[in-house]
Amino acid sequence: AQTVTQSQPEMSVQEAETVTLSCTYDTSESDYYLFWYKQPPSRQMILVIRQEAYKQQNATENRFSVNFQKAAKSFSLKISDSQLGDAAMYFCAYQSGGSNYKLTFGKGTLLTVNP
Amino acid sequence: GAVVSQHPSRVICKSGTSVKIECRSLDFQATTMFWYRQFPKQSLMLMATSNEGSKATYEQGVEKDKFLINHASLTLSTLTVTSAHPEDSSFYICSASPAGNTIYFGEGSWLTVV
Repeated sequence: AQTVTQSQPEMSVQEAETVTLSCTYDTSESDYYLFWYKQPPSRQMILVIRQEAYKQQNATENRFSVNFQKAAKSFSLKISDSQLGDAAMYFCAYQSGGSNYKLTFGKGTLLTVNP
Repeated sequence: GAVVSQHPSRVICKSGTSVKIECRSLDFQATTMFWYRQFPKQSLMLMATSNEGSKATYEQGVEKDKFLINHASLTLSTLTVTSAHPEDSSFYICSASPAGNTIYFGEGSWLTVV
């Protein structure tokens, strides 16, 4: 079974600064997808970024980018120019390739943004 | 992105009664939907996979008779908590995918059993 580990229960960052959230995973599969989801206090799960394992290029979405190290099974999220609205719980998630869309989540990292 | 809607967003029910939560894909068809439960300050725990036109697949440890799932159409899945008890109080959230492997989530439903 796949596992996802987020080793940082809480992180904080100053507004406009950069922060990196860590995620490692364990799998024997070669075809899979990785995601970062943001969950603000409203509890709505918001997709931040997605990475296909077969792609070497790291995914980027505006201020959000990932450092995908397939051999090390590491998938960290970098948030640049942090904003107050970035404050939320961030979940790293793993999904097997194919048609099974089941997600396995890490325990989450609570990000605080200080003004 | 695709839109998944849940209803109700909050519900309070008496112990021993049943409550139904709906999950709808508003702008796409979904043959598969997922139901998660989330306890305070914890991650999402997958409860079951809802399959259109067939029985749901439950995760280990989830009571099938307590958490009834029906996926009668390509845009609607329902979760019924039967004979609810206070320990069933939680945040329930569904998800679905229009195509490919990107999952979209509903807004979630808070259930309080009194």
